[in-house]
Amino acid sequence: GAVVSQHPSRVICKSGTSVKIECRSLDFQATTMFWYRQFPKQSLMLMATSNEGSKATYEQGVEKDKFLINHASLTLSTLTVTSAHPEDSSFYICSASSGSNQPQHFGDGTRLSIL
Amino acid sequence: TQLLEQSPQFLSIQEGENLTVYCNSSSVFSSLQWYRQEPGEGPVLLVTVVTGGEVKKLKRLTFQFGDARKDSSLHITAAQPGDTGLYLCAGTITAGNKLTFGGGTRVLVKP
Repeated sequence: GAVVSQHPSRVICKSGTSVKIECRSLDFQATTMFWYRQFPKQSLMLMATSNEGSKATYEQGVEKDKFLINHASLTLSTLTVTSAHPEDSSFYICSASSGSNQPQHFGDGTRLSIL
Repeated sequence: TQLLEQSPQFLSIQEGENLTVYCNSSSVFSSLQWYRQEPGEGPVLLVTVVTGGEVKKLKRLTFQFGDARKDSSLHITAAQPGDTGLYLCAGTITAGNKLTFGGGTRVLVKP
């Protein structure tokens, strides 16, 4: 149980393109989803927390207009990297939780490469 | 400065040796988790500790939570090449499940 699916697993696109990443909880309802970014050989850095039906809460230094998060249902959250540039290239990981005191279950990540 | 400091950052050992990874903070954590992550994949939860002084064992892995709930350690006995990976500690400070991750320890077990 508690499977989180992320799609796509890898995307390569040109600078200026907007890229959407999906995070789905397959067998539970995720009231909260988290989005992380991980640079090579570094740890996970939390970007934002999203609760179903409300606006995401962004961590300090993360541009909300650059990284658009939508959590319209209890099983799906999306992260859109708008007008992506090479410096946005990274490994993006989502996690989902069924409640505020429940563990996070992680997806397998999306490798984003901007040329 | 990270809220959770992990040490060492990198560890290379021979198969059969033991290793210990440390996770330290000046803050008190309500719970602390250890993950292992392989390249190109998401982190996989190994254990959650919540009680000060708690010790949990998972086959050759032993996890300890400090009495004051500010530090934790992961000890691997007789390491195998399959133990190679990035080990991450992560904790929750307040009520809720927002995680703060340590910087990670990259472990390489050579056959």
